[in-house]
Amino acid sequence: EVQLVESGGGLVKPGGSLRLSCATSGFTFDSYRMNWVRQAPGKGLEWVSSISSSSIYIYYADSVKGRFTISRDNAKRSLYLQMYSLRAEDTAVYYCARDSTVVAGENCFDPWGQGTLVTVSS
Amino acid sequence: DIQMTQSPSTLSASVGDRVTITCRASQSISTWLAWYQQKPGKAPKLLIYRASTLESEVPSRFSGSGSGTEFTLTISSLQPDDFATYYCQQYDNYLITFGQGTRLEIK
Repeated sequence: EVQLVESGGGLVKPGGSLRLSCATSGFTFDSYRMNWVRQAPGKGLEWVSSISSSSIYIYYADSVKGRFTISRDNAKRSLYLQMYSLRAEDTAVYYCARDSTVVAGENCFDPWGQGTLVTVSS
Repeated sequence: DIQMTQSPSTLSASVGDRVTITCRASQSISTWLAWYQQKPGKAPKLLIYRASTLESEVPSRFSGSGSGTEFTLTISSLQPDDFATYYCQQYDNYLITFGQGTRLEIK
């Protein structure tokens, strides 16, 4: 069974930092592009960042560029999101999501983890 | 960035109804479009990709169509389990964007 389990969320003050992790199992991790998507309370989905299978290609939404860093450790089958200079508007549930296939360009997401809540507040 | 606009924002319907949700892109995205279903407190679930290809184990009452800038998700006969929020997502380029969502509620 494919599983994605996020951790690392919590309460942080504005300007603070947090590192999210996503532990995976049940598939060949180093073959898939991986992604972070967030959802503010009561709001819609917002793509945050993507990283290719070998970490060569990395992309960020404009809203987080320069503040967030995506990375992966294929040996540990894990995905990470290092978040700096956090703002109130970064408050959201952060989901880890795998590309649905290994086919290049098929960048839709399945499956998703259960999400981890990040709250930025003083 | 490519903007995705869904309509309606909220849709009230009854079990057995046929419903259609529309998603419009601000520029052509060919068929690089996916649809997701999300229930409260749960992660989204992929329903359709490449505009019209049904993900495995998704019921055949769901269908997608369209290309270019206009797309639709149709549920042919609503079941109680289908009341949820639906999102479209474009992946024409690396700056992925979602529609704002359509909440499908029981009439």
